[in-house]
Amino acid sequence: DQQVKQNSPSLSVQEGRISILNCDYTNSMFDYFLWYKKYPAEGPTFLISISSIKDKNEDGRFTVFLNKSAKHLSLHIVPSQPGDSAVYFCAATVTGNQFYFGTGTSLTVIP
Amino acid sequence: DAGITQSPRHKVTETGTPVTLRCHQTENHRYMYWYRQDPGHGLRLIHYSYGVKDTDKGEVSDGYSVSRSKTEDFLLTLESATSSQTSVYFCASQSPSSGNTIYFGEGSWLTVV
Repeated sequence: DQQVKQNSPSLSVQEGRISILNCDYTNSMFDYFLWYKKYPAEGPTFLISISSIKDKNEDGRFTVFLNKSAKHLSLHIVPSQPGDSAVYFCAATVTGNQFYFGTGTSLTVIP
Repeated sequence: DAGITQSPRHKVTETGTPVTLRCHQTENHRYMYWYRQDPGHGLRLIHYSYGVKDTDKGEVSDGYSVSRSKTEDFLLTLESATSSQTSVYFCASQSPSSGNTIYFGEGSWLTVV
């Protein structure tokens, strides 16, 4: 059973606009959430994370929002750039235990 | 970045043959993981290790075994490769002291024919 879900396999956005990637989870025990970015033929790289005690975390153009009541998190990228085109995975964990990943969303930023 | 290297990076093997993938990390991370990535499934955990000789199964462990004889090395073995094990395999490591973040290697592309 998929504990972390990314329901949009792909997303296309114009350069300079906002990209919003969504992720839902089912396990209310998850206390830490992460986003990874993956280019073809490379390993996933860590992008940004958020603890369950927060509802927002920013790092430059990237912001992650957490809505615990809805068991939903989102990654906002603004402004989007062509170099942001990649597959984005969300992940969740209960501290000290396994990490669960979503199926990924392929983002294409159109110049 | 955890200085994770995987070998081999690409391999083609025949059905029924054993295959071992190696993961080596230079950061003295205690926790190590093996994932596979498949279209429509994302990253799925095969096996993980919380220390030397301390390993456990993940969600897709059937047909795989692991060994961790040194902190820096985590080996994944396909005892008898099948076509369903054609995939991209990623190793990852984590240091509890650096928080809840795992870092990935560059991947090993395995094709079973």
